[in-house]
Amino acid sequence: QQPVQSPQAVILREGEDAVINCSSSKALYSVHWYRQKHGEAPVFLMILLKGGEQKGHDKISASFNEKKQQSSLYLTASQLSYSGTYFCGTAAGNNRKLIWGLGTSLAVNP
Amino acid sequence: DAGVIQSPRHEVTEMGQEVTLRCKPISGHDYLFWYRQTMMRGLELLIYFNNNVPIDDSGMPEDRFSAKMPNASFSTLKIQPSEPRDSAVYFCASSFLDNEQFFGPGTRLTVL
Repeated sequence: QQPVQSPQAVILREGEDAVINCSSSKALYSVHWYRQKHGEAPVFLMILLKGGEQKGHDKISASFNEKKQQSSLYLTASQLSYSGTYFCGTAAGNNRKLIWGLGTSLAVNP
Repeated sequence: DAGVIQSPRHEVTEMGQEVTLRCKPISGHDYLFWYRQTMMRGLELLIYFNNNVPIDDSGMPEDRFSAKMPNASFSTLKIQPSEPRDSAVYFCASSFLDNEQFFGPGTRLTVL
């Protein structure tokens, strides 16, 4: 079952914050976040494992609530370079098979 | 390291023709993944290998698709015969253990 991402698209001004959500109908073992710029390959952001941990990477952080089967990606003080499509990939077990959401398109304007 | 290498970058072919996509993973990585990306269906895992052995091919659409990994540094995805609905961007990715996946630049396939 494909995870559901929301919102589908968001437009920000530089410096604004955004939250992208990823929800699954299945119990999750891990959630992976990637960003893809137009015409390029997806690039890894972070992995969250079962345990409700929160991770951070510069001004991008994420949380994983295994009970709610959802993860959220937080982008603070957005920069122009944050523009792209964000994908969550979910794994139901300790395996390498990821099921991907359809993505959230993020545009950061000056 | 050069990263994951895919060839060709673009392929235009006619319906019914055989298509072979190639991938060279990052040296030392033990997992290799083949993905297909379309606007309608997003990113779909087709098959993945661990130490050259296919582990899960449940995402392979049908018998027209086949994948091989004869050694740790090379994999192919073959479509025979190709159909217009196979048009998509095909990505190869590799990883070490359960770490991040490194994606190649992709092959944009157009089947006329």
